[in-house]
Amino acid sequence: GQNIDQPTEMTATEGAIVQINCTYQTSGFNGLFWYQQHAGEAPTFLSYNVLDGLEEKGRFSSFLSRSKGYSYLLLKELQMKDSASYLCAVRAGSNYQLIWGAGTKLIIKP
Amino acid sequence: GAVVSQHPSWVICKSGTSVKIECRSLDFQATTMFWYRQFPKQSLMLMATSNEGSKATYEQGVEKDKFLINHASLTLSTLTVTSAHPEDSSFYICSARDAGARYEQYFGPGTRLTVT
Repeated sequence: GQNIDQPTEMTATEGAIVQINCTYQTSGFNGLFWYQQHAGEAPTFLSYNVLDGLEEKGRFSSFLSRSKGYSYLLLKELQMKDSASYLCAVRAGSNYQLIWGAGTKLIIKP
Repeated sequence: GAVVSQHPSWVICKSGTSVKIECRSLDFQATTMFWYRQFPKQSLMLMATSNEGSKATYEQGVEKDKFLINHASLTLSTLTVTSAHPEDSSFYICSARDAGARYEQYFGPGTRLTVT
């Protein structure tokens, strides 16, 4: 079956660094996405990994290990506005459909 | 970045009526659009995939006669919830794939449907 796991909730302090992990078991693999979703809003694209390694984009970085079925999203210099849910999604086939994790709710404290 | 709009942003309707939700790609052509449903504190659930000019492909468990999807042009897809029931109350989100982009899906702002 298709399965994507990520922690339900994490708490971090403003200015700190937090790593959100995602593990996946899918019948195929054609890329892994991270999206940010604020409550009551639609998801916004953060990152895309299809090859092993680290992709850095400003305060956000995303890492992928295909052999381990593992990814993480690293958020640096946390700001209060980073409080949101972070969704991990895998494109398993060639039809651009995404398989979604349940999301990790990140709470930032002052 | 690419912009996707949805209309209406929220709607309240009575049981038994039908509601149409529009999803438009404003500055790009979307050969493929996806319709999702999201219940509170849950992740996105893909309902169907629609390709311009062809019938939508529905996910298992989604009633195609209840959730009518039309993708008549490269910039517009519509989802009609027919004979709505209170359990259909949810956040409906569309996303569109830019035919000229490599991989991204761009999401609309979502439509909150409440059926009374």
